[in-house]
Amino acid sequence: QAVVTQEPSLTVSPGGTVTLTCGSSTGAVTSGHYAYWFQQKPGQAPRTLIYHASNKHSWTPARFSGSLLGGKAALTLSGAQPDDEADYYCLLSYSGGDWVFGGGTKLTVL
Amino acid sequence: QVQLVESGGGVVQPGGSLRLSCEASGFTFSTYGMYWVRQAPGKGLKWVAFIRNDGYYKFYADSVQGRFTISRDNSKNTLYLQMNSLRVEDTAVYYCGKSGGFDYWGQGTLVTISS
Repeated sequence: QAVVTQEPSLTVSPGGTVTLTCGSSTGAVTSGHYAYWFQQKPGQAPRTLIYHASNKHSWTPARFSGSLLGGKAALTLSGAQPDDEADYYCLLSYSGGDWVFGGGTKLTVL
Repeated sequence: QVQLVESGGGVVQPGGSLRLSCEASGFTFSTYGMYWVRQAPGKGLKWVAFIRNDGYYKFYADSVQGRFTISRDNSKNTLYLQMNSLRVEDTAVYYCGKSGGFDYWGQGTLVTISS
């Protein structure tokens, strides 16, 4: 099974910009992986921010954006707020109906 | 509004069985594929299973293949996860989710496997 890798932790200053990445052990992440990004706060269910690499849901704050960058999926947060402190997970789709989550990135806003 | 409500979690001994349910409302259930995802205490998210909207296509993570069965009853707007031969490592909060952007999740139900 493929392994999906994320930064274990990142720190961003309030108002700053940070990019979280999501890589695949099988090679470059492409549009065919239908990358998703989720935000999860302690004690809460995950919330989907981005689907299919770059599409936002109606509730996704404008400061979040998704892209494919350098062979990885990327989630960029521009203008970080204290409320953005959370765990972030990516999810990739593989052939045969397999889906694999990354290990998650703990984002600290400090 | 869209709601997904899981139920059926609890404490079970290793080797036991449990059936989880996910009752859906606020959307046309029969037109969407559905997922189960789990999260062990203090750990990350793990995808468990997927079922297509008509129930004829199912896919499982290797770790649960042959032990878990995903199913649905479109007449009852309900998704199920039958879990057999449970192991300590199956202990987790189990979430159901709606496909189509993975846009909605339930609040989860806790399954604890312990002797």
